Amino acid sequence: GQQVMQIPQYQHVQEGEDFTTYCNSSTTLSNIQWYKQRPGGHPVFLIQLVKSGEVKKQKRLTFQFGEAKKNSSLHITATQTTDVGTYFCAGLFSGTYKYIFGTGTRLKVLA
Amino acid sequence: DAGITQSPRHKVTETGTPVTLRCHQTENHRYMYWYRQDPGHGLRLIHYSYGVKDTDKGEVSDGYSVSRSKTEDFLLTLESATSSQTSVYFCAISEANWGFSYGYTFGSGTRLTVV
Repeated sequence: GQQVMQIPQYQHVQEGEDFTTYCNSSTTLSNIQWYKQRPGGHPVFLIQLVKSGEVKKQKRLTFQFGEAKKNSSLHITATQTTDVGTYFCAGLFSGTYKYIFGTGTRLKVLA
Repeated sequence: DAGITQSPRHKVTETGTPVTLRCHQTENHRYMYWYRQDPGHGLRLIHYSYGVKDTDKGEVSDGYSVSRSKTEDFLLTLESATSSQTSVYFCAISEANWGFSYGYTFGSGTRLTVV
C-alpha cells in the first residue's frame, strides 16, 4: 500500500544543535505537508510543498521537497526548547485525495 | 483552534458497547476527517467526508462508521467497542481544491479507553 516512511523515530539533541527529519515515499507525491505536535497537544499545520525541488523557510526551519517528489526533509537550525514535539509529514499520492501521514519524529531538546 | 471542537475529551467505555464521538466545526469547511493516533503508528485515517452525506473509508475503517448530516458535524461511531480501539481520536477539517488541501486544522482530540 501507499506509505510514507519517516526517520528517525526519535532524536535527542542538545539545545543549540541542529535537527533534521526525513520523509520518503516509494512513489511520486503530488505534494507534502508538515505538522508539529507538542506533547499532549494536537498536530498543527506548518507548511505545504508542491513543486519539485522546492525549498521554503520559516525562521529557523527549512523545508525541502526532493527533485523526484519522493522525499522531503525538515531541518531546524540551532534548536530551542520550544522546538520539542513530534514532527509529522503527510504526503498526497498522485491520483488520490487522501493524505498519508508518516509515523513522526519525536524531538527532545536538552537544555 | 476555536473553529473545531471535539466531544467528549475523555471517555472510558466497556467492551462491546457502542460509542459516538462528535466533531463540530464553525469554519464551513467542506472536508472533515477522523484519525486515530497510536504510539508507533502516527496518524491513521479512519473515515473522511467530502460533503454532507458524502463519506469514504480510510486506512483503518473496520469497526467504525461515520455520518455527516450537516456541514458542521461529523460523527464517528464505534459500533461495538474493543480494546484495540483504545486510542486518541482526532478530527480534522480542511478546504481543498482537487485534493490539494490547504492544510488540516485538527481538533484537540478525544482520549478513548475501552476496558
